[in-house]
Amino acid sequence: AQRVTQPEKLLSVFKGAPVELKCNYSYSGSPELFWYVQYSRQRLQLLLRHISRESIKGFTADLNKGETSFHLKKPFAQEEDSAMYYCALSGGDYTSGTYKYIFGTGTRLKVLA
Amino acid sequence: NAGVTQTPKFRILKIGQSMTLQCAQDMNHNYMYWYRQDPGMGLKLIYYSVGAGITDKGEVPNGYNVSRSTTEDFPLRLELAAPSQTSVYFCASSYSRSGASGYTFGSGTRLTVV
Repeated sequence: AQRVTQPEKLLSVFKGAPVELKCNYSYSGSPELFWYVQYSRQRLQLLLRHISRESIKGFTADLNKGETSFHLKKPFAQEEDSAMYYCALSGGDYTSGTYKYIFGTGTRLKVLA
Repeated sequence: NAGVTQTPKFRILKIGQSMTLQCAQDMNHNYMYWYRQDPGMGLKLIYYSVGAGITDKGEVPNGYNVSRSTTEDFPLRLELAAPSQTSVYFCASSYSRSGASGYTFGSGTRLTVV
């Protein structure tokens, strides 16, 4: 089955501590992986894509195909990083010619002062 | 550049009432989507559209209808509202079919059915 799993509903860390938000996926193919962020009372917005290999707001994520993971990391958490984070997967079903875009259930990150 | 605009932001409906959630985008994206987000759950795809005049069902289409008469607009219609439709609804659009450049989301509509 195709799915995205974010095992932690809530992750609390102290300011300045490292952060790792876990994302594991199950997909029979070569998917594209994304992280989205939703700050309080704001819309979901794209944070980063694995194909860009970029660092946004100090966050990075490496696609590990062997472990089927795409964990989001930041070396030093800041209070303004407190938000909901969603991992998402995009993959094509070449048999049906359709694409699936699957979201995880999200992890709430709380950065404590 | 407004991106994706959703209205209304909040709405309370009585059981059996109907309403339309509006969604408009100004990025000339062909692909548009409606999701619902229930507490503790991920986003569930209700309907999507690959262009004007073309729509298709997602995972949870029952109780909803959509239309896509223009590239810009993708309204979601709720007929005979039920408490199970209490949720936050998000409209999104993307440039490509795969969403490789990411989705652009609206700010959401919080709907309560009582």
